[in-house]
Amino acid sequence: SQQGEEDPQALSIQEGENATMNCSYKTSINNLQWYRQNSGRGLVHLILIRSNEREKHSGRLRVTLDTSKKSSSLLITASRAADTASYFCATLKAAGNKLTFGGGTRVLVKP
Amino acid sequence: GAVVSQHPSRVICKSGTSVKIECRSLDFQATTMFWYRQFPKKSLMLMATSNEGSKATYEQGVEKDKFLINHASLTLSTLTVTSAHPEDSSFYICSALPGGSYNEQFFGPGTRLTVL
Repeated sequence: SQQGEEDPQALSIQEGENATMNCSYKTSINNLQWYRQNSGRGLVHLILIRSNEREKHSGRLRVTLDTSKKSSSLLITASRAADTASYFCATLKAAGNKLTFGGGTRVLVKP
Repeated sequence: GAVVSQHPSRVICKSGTSVKIECRSLDFQATTMFWYRQFPKKSLMLMATSNEGSKATYEQGVEKDKFLINHASLTLSTLTVTSAHPEDSSFYICSALPGGSYNEQFFGPGTRLTVL
């Protein structure tokens, strides 16, 4: 079963608005990663946050991690139509090298 | 850098045939590669971990005789779907882990398999 659960499952916003999606997980992790997937394509790595980090920024992306709540959030600021995609969180357990993916959030940014 | 390719990108085959999908790391060596399966509008499900020079490790519920994995070199892993049936139709994605890394995996563009 998937360790990560994401909400919302789908999100529809206007261009320029911010998009926030959340990810929860169950076990101890080494790091948590966010990926983007355009329809029918492979995954693009967005950002990695380690278990000892609480917040990370990359361009218009902001990721938070709360290990006490076993949750993470991804914020996309000033969204663009090109941000339309599915976004997945994936956790790397404290031991091992396998990623476990969340269910994903489908984001639609309307121009 | 860190590019992973997959071939073919799309394949349509008849039921009962076998299909081979290649995953290559183009500019780095990958001692470990992973194979995932993704159904429409669903997340990625890990099928197996492919280790160079040794047998693949399959996830629970994945038939190793159905999905043959060979990782013959540090830059190539292959997934062969044997005796494919319509229920095997899916999007198959590989990823590669650079040697010595336990962090970022690099994903291939995926292969769309349709079994008629």
